[in-house]
Amino acid sequence: GAGVSQSPSNKVTEKGKDVELRCDPISGHTALYWYRQRLGQGLEFLIYFQGNSAPDKSGLPSDRFSAERTGESVSTLTIQRTQQEDSAVYLCASSSRRKETQYFGPGTRLLVL
Amino acid sequence: AQTVTQSQPEMSVQEAETVTLSCTYDTSESDYYLFWYKQPPSRQMILVIRQEAYKQQNATENRFSVNFQKAAKSFSLKISDSQLGDAAMYFCAYQVQGAQKLVFGQGTRLTINP
Repeated sequence: GAGVSQSPSNKVTEKGKDVELRCDPISGHTALYWYRQRLGQGLEFLIYFQGNSAPDKSGLPSDRFSAERTGESVSTLTIQRTQQEDSAVYLCASSSRRKETQYFGPGTRLLVL
Repeated sequence: AQTVTQSQPEMSVQEAETVTLSCTYDTSESDYYLFWYKQPPSRQMILVIRQEAYKQQNATENRFSVNFQKAAKSFSLKISDSQLGDAAMYFCAYQVQGAQKLVFGQGTRLTINP
């Protein structure tokens, strides 16, 4: 079946602009995660959605970052008033309720000029 | 706080030989999972192997195997018969059972020399 998909693949924006990143999880996966990967670094957890439960936002670095998910489908990560330090690859992952393994999408590379 | 440490920023190996990537972690939990992910230049994170902490037997997946030492909090990845397609960044990751987030190490860049 189809894997996790993300769009856009690459995004270049100017400092101060808002950006929206999209993630389509694997069909039937109830859990969805967002991670950030700065150049040459490991992944940092941002936010987690599980079904209709309240999301775990503990990894969001500032109030400029927010994410939404409707039910068990698409999620969008929004970064407002982007800063140069927001430049990174943003990766989305999903997992099923019964298994812990997370399956990742190809990521969105964000460059803030 | 849980941390994952990969002490080898870069490794290289000759094609067809065996290489071992190191990973240590720090936790006070008893039930958790450990993972190795591969990230080629395409950026896609690909699951290589997974280990449940309660299992004493080391996980294996074809040419990939782990050496899980729970007491030492060590989780190394052995790649046998290395192939050119194995070249990538390799990340070790930890997840508390029942928790959500993965905690990643900084990664090891593996180069395969033909």
